[in-house]
Amino acid sequence: EAGVTQSPTHLIKTRGQQATLRCSPISGHTSVYWYQQALGLGLQFLLWYDEGEERNRGNFPPRFSGRQFPNYSSELNVNALELEDSALYLCASPRERGPYEQYFGPGTRLTVT
Amino acid sequence: EDKVVQSPLSLVVHEGDTVTLNCSYEVTNFRSLLWYKQEKKAPTFLFMLTSSGIEKKSGRLSSILDKKELSSILNITATQTGDSAIYLCAGSSYDKVIFGPGTSLSVIP
Repeated sequence: EAGVTQSPTHLIKTRGQQATLRCSPISGHTSVYWYQQALGLGLQFLLWYDEGEERNRGNFPPRFSGRQFPNYSSELNVNALELEDSALYLCASPRERGPYEQYFGPGTRLTVT
Repeated sequence: EDKVVQSPLSLVVHEGDTVTLNCSYEVTNFRSLLWYKQEKKAPTFLFMLTSSGIEKKSGRLSSILDKKELSSILNITATQTGDSAIYLCAGSSYDKVIFGPGTSLSVIP
């Protein structure tokens, strides 16, 4: 069974631009969680999508948004990039609906200059 | 506000030592306590502890959940250099997962 995949691996943007990150969960899994891991900080919960709907979001401004497609893959969009958005963005796919054991993708390293 | 605290934040031990990592949580509508190991990028799942499963063991790693004290410990016996990593603890409710800052473990030969 294929694991969680994310693309791109690295992304370099300038302040004010928009970034789009993609994630495909494990086949058959309907939920996708997004996390931000900034340098020196722990994983911060960003968004949870399940069966195409946004189920919950963390304490992030509205310029962090996303969507989930019918095939359960997901996209995270970050608008009006700021320097502090530089971080590792991780996507996770739980085995069951809800925040149970989650399987993480390799992450996208976003650098904002 | 939901939060997860881990201690120590950093730890250096010698191969063969036993270590205990601590985690305390305050998560509204708590459902489970999760432990992960993060070496380079993606965290890898270690244990999930719930009200129906408060103790887990896998090889040299074991974990216990104390529901009364809202805490958990992760024990690693006979540490090896390959155990060097950041160990993350997370408390989850139905609709969110709150991670702690992690404990950075370094095992030296």
